[in-house]
Amino acid sequence: AQSVAQPEDQVNVAEGNPLTVKCTYSVSGNPYLFWYVQYPNRGLQFLLKYITGDNLVKGSYGFEAEFNKSQTSFHLKKPSALVSDSALYFCAVREGDNQGGKLIFGQGTELSVKP
Amino acid sequence: DTAVSQTPKYLVTQMGNDKSIKCEQNLGHDTMYWYKQDSKKFLKIMFSYNNKELIINETVPNRFSPKSPDKAHLNLHINSLELGDSAVYFCASSRGLAGSYEQYFGPGTRLTVT
Repeated sequence: AQSVAQPEDQVNVAEGNPLTVKCTYSVSGNPYLFWYVQYPNRGLQFLLKYITGDNLVKGSYGFEAEFNKSQTSFHLKKPSALVSDSALYFCAVREGDNQGGKLIFGQGTELSVKP
Repeated sequence: DTAVSQTPKYLVTQMGNDKSIKCEQNLGHDTMYWYKQDSKKFLKIMFSYNNKELIINETVPNRFSPKSPDKAHLNLHINSLELGDSAVYFCASSRGLAGSYEQYFGPGTRLTVT
């Protein structure tokens, strides 16, 4: 069965410092991996995805993520955090093109960036 | 223009009532979804529809009945509401069912059952 784990409920970072939000996944085939961000009382916004090819994926708002097949990880990164990056971040996985579009989400990581 | 919209944004109702949530997407997508986010922010898929056809019903109680009148709309009707139905419900859409397509989410409907 597919699963996603975000081992940290909360990540605290000072503004201007690099940030990492961790994600590991488990699928039996090739994964499609996604990061979404949820601001308070808002819907989820798509940040980036890994489908195939280059392991480093660049996305919206200066975020990037690195796919590591051997460690089954897809960590989200940003070189310099902004206070406005404070939000809830979700990693999600799909296994191939079957299963009706089902996205499996991690439990979410609350990112807090302090000035 | 809002890509995926839902109405209402907030819904407060009593146990036993029947309510509906509407969703519309103007992205020209073929596939639409309903997700439930519980009080711990955990997100889980409920239904997916492709070209108005039900693809996934993720063991949701049959009190929940989705309806897709056309590709741009996916409504959710809930009968005999229970306290445990209180959650935020998100509609989403994607170009199709292929795994590479990202999903675009609506703003959510916060349902409170008292």
